[in-house]
Amino acid sequence: QVTLKESGPVLVKPTETLTLTCTVSGFSLSNARMGVSWIRQPPGKALEWLAHIFSNDEKSYSTSLKSRLTISKDTSKSQVVLTMTNMDPVDTATYYCARLLPSVAVAGTGWFDPWGQGTLVTVSS
Amino acid sequence: DIQMTQSPSTLSASVGDRVTITCRASQSISSWLAWYQQKPGKAPKLLIYKASSLESGVPSRFSGSGSGTEFTLTISSLQPDDFATYYCQQYNSYFITFGQGTRLEIK
Repeated sequence: QVTLKESGPVLVKPTETLTLTCTVSGFSLSNARMGVSWIRQPPGKALEWLAHIFSNDEKSYSTSLKSRLTISKDTSKSQVVLTMTNMDPVDTATYYCARLLPSVAVAGTGWFDPWGQGTLVTVSS
Repeated sequence: DIQMTQSPSTLSASVGDRVTITCRASQSISSWLAWYQQKPGKAPKLLIYKASSLESGVPSRFSGSGSGTEFTLTISSLQPDDFATYYCQQYNSYFITFGQGTRLEIK
């Protein structure tokens, strides 16, 4: 059974750096072409893709947030880490990680299944 | 980035109804589209990928169609468990984008 679980702080202050960890089980981060993504959802709003990383360490970032995001993985720990710098109250959201199933036709992208339960991060002083 | 627009934003329907949700892309995405169902306080759940491929375990009353820029998600006979918010997602581009969501509520 494939599962993903997010962990990290519940509350961060404005200007601080957020570090979130996604721990996966049921598949290996070294599996060919498998990826893990981060997606967020502000309260009552739509989903927003942030970043993903593939088994070959290929990475992709949201155009609008690229300057603030870093994604990395530790295969031995089955973990994917996302950092987001200079946090602002508008970044308050539930942050999800999800397994990215790769498109056979379009390299570096795909769809998400399954998702972690999500973790709510509030940005406030 | 490719913009995804869903309509309607909110849909009121009754158990047993046939409903259709539309998702339009700002440029052609071939068939590279997925649909998700999200219930309050829960993570999204994959329903359909590649526009019309039903994910294993998803009831057959769900179906997807379309290609290019216009796509639909159809629920043939609404069940009480289907009242939720639905999102489309394109993966034609390196930069993945979602629709704004369609909330399906009980009439």
